[in-house]
Amino acid sequence: KQEVTQIPAALSVPEGENLVLNCSFTDSAIYNLQWFRQDPGKGLTSLLLIQSSQREQTSGRLNASLDKSSGRSTLYIAASQPGDSATYLCAVSGFYGGSQGNLIFGKGTKLSVKP
Amino acid sequence: GAGVSQTPSNKVTEKGKYVELRCDPISGHTALYWYRQSLGQGPEFLIYFQGTGAADDSGLPNDRFFAVRPEGSVSTLKIQRTERGDSAVYLCASSQWASGSFETQYFGPGTRLLVL
Repeated sequence: KQEVTQIPAALSVPEGENLVLNCSFTDSAIYNLQWFRQDPGKGLTSLLLIQSSQREQTSGRLNASLDKSSGRSTLYIAASQPGDSATYLCAVSGFYGGSQGNLIFGKGTKLSVKP
Repeated sequence: GAGVSQTPSNKVTEKGKYVELRCDPISGHTALYWYRQSLGQGPEFLIYFQGTGAADDSGLPNDRFFAVRPEGSVSTLKIQRTERGDSAVYLCASSQWASGSFETQYFGPGTRLLVL
């Protein structure tokens, strides 16, 4: 059974710092991995999707890496800003339960960026 | 263009009542997913549609939960005889299916269900 773990559960940093969020998964047979952002009381916003054949994806100040063989992904946020404060969720999709594409989520890392 | 929309945004009901939650996916997206998120947890998969048919309903917790997508667009999640433990945020997502791979899932804002 696929399990996704995110460390740390919460992180507080001063504005301007570079930071790394970690995600690990137990079954390396994945199709892709997505990073999401969730603001309090809101839905999920997709940040980056990495296909299983890729090693990393970049969007602005965000860079996500994937090491499928070791079951790890990291989300790097450069020059953090107070507006980056949110919960960041990692999710993997694979062949589970007889079909494809269902996302298995971690519990998230709650990020607080202090001005 | 318009994103995924869900109605109602909030629903308060009494234990034992029947509720329906609606999801309007992004136009043209063939795949539609329902997830449930409890406080402090990541979303958990409930059911996945490819077109009109449920391709995987293995995440539905019991037979009180049912979902339909009769025309391959709008979907309705139906919960019978609601229980307090059903209280959660119900999220809907949609995605394209392109060249044999699953694309980015786009989520709606969710329906917050509270069963008293």
